[in-house]
Amino acid sequence: RKEVEQDPGPFNVPEGATVAFNCTYSNSASQSFFWYRQDCRKEPKLLMSVYSSGNEDGRFTAQLNRASQYISLLIRDSKLSDSATYLCVVTITGYMEYGNKLVFGAGTILRVKS
Amino acid sequence: EPEVTQTPSHQVTQMGQEVILRCVPISNHLYFYWYRQILGQKVEFLVSFYNNEISEKSEIFDDQFSVERPDGSNFTLKIRSTKLEDSAMYFCASRQGPSGYTFGSGTRLTVV
Repeated sequence: RKEVEQDPGPFNVPEGATVAFNCTYSNSASQSFFWYRQDCRKEPKLLMSVYSSGNEDGRFTAQLNRASQYISLLIRDSKLSDSATYLCVVTITGYMEYGNKLVFGAGTILRVKS
Repeated sequence: EPEVTQTPSHQVTQMGQEVILRCVPISNHLYFYWYRQILGQKVEFLVSFYNNEISEKSEIFDDQFSVERPDGSNFTLKIRSTKLEDSAMYFCASRQGPSGYTFGSGTRLTVV
């Protein structure tokens, strides 16, 4: 089983649409959770951290369900500039506490069209 | 905004040659990482580095790979004898605390 699983998409949506991405992780000891955005051939960039209580940043809402080991990202009022690959990322504390490597999902491709 | 700088942006090398990928992390960061991304695949952890030593490495990071922080500012990844399958984007990252990773813009390594 993959450590972090995502629907690869692509999700093709019109401008203004609401789109939701899901992610599951296999390691129940996972400590921290993030959504990153990656544009073609660029570095991953942090979109938002994900907290157990759920959190919102403008048009973006992230949810975490630890019991189900499930993370979601909702994008409202999609813009053309939202077109990218969205990466679900968890940290699993390594043997050395400060290792804290990131474990990436393969990403979900979003294409927003006018 | 502080950034992680990687050079070169693109490196082409012949199979069997040694390559050194360079990174300048953010100056007050303490934890350093290398990740790689083969075209069309996910970002994969290679190695983490703290207090001048490797703190964790993945199965990918075999004897062909090494890391160094030679002068307190640069952080390098060396591949001793490159293989075709080493072709990938290599991302350096650094962080200060529990989160807050900053990634460099990457080096695209092409092995021919």
